Amino acid sequence: DIQMTQSPSSLSASVGDRITITCRASQSIRTYLNWYQQKPGKAPNLLIYAASTLQSGVPSRFSGSGSGTDFTLTISSLQPEDFATYYCQQSSTTPALTFGGGTKVEIK
Amino acid sequence: QVQLQESGPGLVKPSETLSLTCVVSGYSISNGFYWGWIRQPPGKGLEWIGSIYHSGSTYYNPSLKSRVTVSVDTSNNQFSLRLTSVTAADTAVYYCARIGRRNGNHYYDYWGQGTLVPVSS
Repeated sequence: DIQMTQSPSSLSASVGDRITITCRASQSIRTYLNWYQQKPGKAPNLLIYAASTLQSGVPSRFSGSGSGTDFTLTISSLQPEDFATYYCQQSSTTPALTFGGGTKVEIK
Repeated sequence: QVQLQESGPGLVKPSETLSLTCVVSGYSISNGFYWGWIRQPPGKGLEWIGSIYHSGSTYYNPSLKSRVTVSVDTSNNQFSLRLTSVTAADTAVYYCARIGRRNGNHYYDYWGQGTLVPVSS
């Protein structure tokens, strides 16, 4: 099984900050990596697929990078609506799509 | 617009079987794609449970495989989850979702709203 490890598990930041979340796979997944945003009481929402491709309608302040085992999600200027929990997910073993543990982004 | 809606009992007793159905509208399951079940215990992360193809081929999380069955009913455009011998650790919000694809990449593109299933006597 491929294990996905996210860091940090939580972070505090202010509006306007640039933040980076890291996701590491236990073995190479090439660029089969997706990022989701989840707000309380809601289903996750796809932000980025194939490690760096922005899903339609997602603001350009979100970006993703990486390949192999190491990936990052960056929010260039944090907005009030971005405070949420973010999950990475590998799709190398489709249809077994497994998630990282999540990163909760809180207001400082 | 593709929509998914979970339905099932609001409460399950320990040792019993949890059964959920996901009704799909706006897209015919028979046309393709994988469909999946994901759960989220209160305050915790997302866990993949299992996936099914429209043909009926199934794939399960190894940690749950002995207790899980996912099935598809193309005539009613729905798919289902059965989880046997539940314990309090199975208390979670259960989501159904479609696995979309683009350029060889797969991701969950449509989700149900989720249904909380407590396991309690």
